[in-house]
Amino acid sequence: DVKVTQSSRYLVKRTGEKVFLECVQDMDHENMFWYRQDPGLGLRLIYFSYDVKMKEKGDIPEGYSVSREKKERFSLILESASTNQTSMYLCASSSMDRGLGQPQHFGDGTRLSIL
Amino acid sequence: RKEVEQDPGPFNVPEGATVAFNCTYSNSASQSFFWYRQDCRKEPKLLMSVYSSGNEDGRFTAQLNRASQYISLLIRDSKLSDSATYLCVVAYSGYALNFGKGTSLLVTP
Repeated sequence: DVKVTQSSRYLVKRTGEKVFLECVQDMDHENMFWYRQDPGLGLRLIYFSYDVKMKEKGDIPEGYSVSREKKERFSLILESASTNQTSMYLCASSSMDRGLGQPQHFGDGTRLSIL
Repeated sequence: RKEVEQDPGPFNVPEGATVAFNCTYSNSASQSFFWYRQDCRKEPKLLMSVYSSGNEDGRFTAQLNRASQYISLLIRDSKLSDSATYLCVVAYSGYALNFGKGTSLLVTP
């Protein structure tokens, strides 16, 4: 089974702090993703990466950055946390595309509260 | 423009009932289709892929209609444990998936 592990289930930070969310996958997947999920808005893609040191903006990258120094690890960084970044953050991974989209496997999620 | 649309529900059905969800997508170049299940305050989990010929997994049947650009999920003999949100997912590129906002199902005794 694919295992995607997020570093924290619950996190509380203060406005203006720099926040790091870590994600590790053990299936040697090439693709990794960060989403946030809010009531009524569904899953929204923040950033994704299809290779080490590669990153692509998703639908809502503003206020976030990412880092992928190793294949198994994908970090999401909130440069200066704001209250509107309070959300559930989900990391996912998938194998390399062969011309078709591959299903993604999700971590347990991090519930982040910014006070 | 909403790329993947689902009826949010909630669908309230009694145990043993058959329930069907539909989902429409806007990009005719879409290539891969999935149904995910998400329990309250949990992560989405892959329920099944959807193939052009239609496919079945136990009590669950998925259908794809490319001409009309919709996908369906049929659940037969509903169980209490089927209560969850069902996400329709569509991919037209190699990397990212487009998620619908989900349809909520509540199966009651």
